[in-house]
Amino acid sequence: AQTVTQSQPEMSVQEAETVTLSCTYDTSESDYYLFWYKQPPSRQMILVIRQEAYKQQNATENRFSVNFQKAAKSFSLKISDSQLGDAAMYFCATGANSKLTFGKGITLSVRP
Amino acid sequence: DADVTQTPRNRITKTGKRIMLECSQTKGHDRMYWYRQDPGLGLRLIYYSFDVKDINKGEISDGYSVSRQAQAKFSLSLESAIPNQTALYFCATSDWETGDLDNEQFFGPGTRLTVL
Repeated sequence: AQTVTQSQPEMSVQEAETVTLSCTYDTSESDYYLFWYKQPPSRQMILVIRQEAYKQQNATENRFSVNFQKAAKSFSLKISDSQLGDAAMYFCATGANSKLTFGKGITLSVRP
Repeated sequence: DADVTQTPRNRITKTGKRIMLECSQTKGHDRMYWYRQDPGLGLRLIYYSFDVKDINKGEISDGYSVSRQAQAKFSLSLESAIPNQTALYFCATSDWETGDLDNEQFFGPGTRLTVL
C-alpha cells in the first residue's frame, strides 16, 4: 500500500523567487517512482518531473528540481525563478506496479 | 490532436440517471485508468485495466462500472447517479515494457460531472 502526504494546502511565492513544495510518502514497494504533476486552471494534468527511487541523483527539469530523501521518504519540489504561469495546483504521486497514488495537492499562487 | 480524449467534457445530470463517460486514446498504450478528483482529496483511482480482458477495481469502485471495448477505449458508467458522485473525472493511460518500472501516466482533459 502507498500513501502520499502533502501537508500544506496552499503556498504563495513572489514572481522570480524560489519556492519549495513538500511531500512525504510511505510505500511497501522496493521499486517505485515519484512524480510531481501540475494542474493549471485548464484542469489538464501535466507531468512536471519524475524521479526513479533507485537513483540517488535528484532529478532536474529546467527550473524544476526535486530533493529526494529516500530514507526520510521525502520528495519535495523546488521551483526556481517562479513565473506567473507556475500558478496551479501541484500533486505529488508515487507509482508502483503501474498504479499511481496521489497526495491531496497544494495550490500555488504567484504574486506579480 | 490530443492523445487521450474524454467525452463529454462537461455533463449535468439528475439523481438516478444512468450516465457513461468515454475515453479514447491514440497512444497505443495497453493500460488505462479512471480517477475522480474532489476538492481537498486529490485524485483517487476508481478502476484500471491492463489489457482488454483485464479489469480491476481501484480504491473507490462502489457505484461505478467500466467497459474496455478495445485497446483504445475505456468507458466509465454510473448506473444510478447520486449527488456525491459530482466530481471531475480523469482517464489516463500508461505503457509498460518488459523490465521497465516506469509508471508515468498520461491524462485526458477531464470530464466535469454534476449530479443534481
